[in-house]
Amino acid sequence: ETGVTQSPTHLIKTRGQQVTLRCSSQSGHNTVSWYQQALGQGPQFIFQYYREEENGRGNFPPRFSGLQFPNYSSELNVNALELDDSALYLCASSLFERGTEAFFGQGTRLTVV
Amino acid sequence: GNSVTQMEGPVTLSEEAFLTINCTYTATGYPSLFWYVQYPGEGLQLLLKATKADDKGSNKGFEATYRKETTSFHLEKGSVQVSDSAVYFCALTEGGSNYKLTFGKGTLLTVNP
Repeated sequence: ETGVTQSPTHLIKTRGQQVTLRCSSQSGHNTVSWYQQALGQGPQFIFQYYREEENGRGNFPPRFSGLQFPNYSSELNVNALELDDSALYLCASSLFERGTEAFFGQGTRLTVV
Repeated sequence: GNSVTQMEGPVTLSEEAFLTINCTYTATGYPSLFWYVQYPGEGLQLLLKATKADDKGSNKGFEATYRKETTSFHLEKGSVQVSDSAVYFCALTEGGSNYKLTFGKGTLLTVNP
């Protein structure tokens, strides 16, 4: 049982709008990573946050941004939504130390129309 | 850059059949290798991992051996069950950290009674 919770579970937005997705980390974890999983594809790394700062980023444009809060929870913000942003967004929490397991939430299904 | 290639599905087996899902990788340095499983409507769960060459990861009857010479990490199970029906993802990270998992596209396994 992971203990990572994401909200909302499903969301429908219109092209051009902005969206905020939320993630509550597993207790004791200090690192949060976000992934985008398009239909039929593997998850793609968006970015990781550690100590409230971005600690690495994948090939996503700046309109994808994030925050990590002192309680280690996190938000993913996407501006100027495009149809191709429709996907399952996964949050993973872990400890920063190498070799520790990343625990994933159930994801938020975003549909852009 | 890093990449993971896994056999395309879907894979359909009868209960108690032998399972192999092939996975090969391209990476700089010395990656850690993982298999994740995604059951319908759920997030990703770590199935097994291996952090150095010749390591064997195992869990719930599944096994995979880190083969540096063939850059492979094939998933095997001797006797599958209906409850093993899920999508399986091969993934890697650099050097044992949990930073930036790179995933394959996933393989859908369906096990029929």
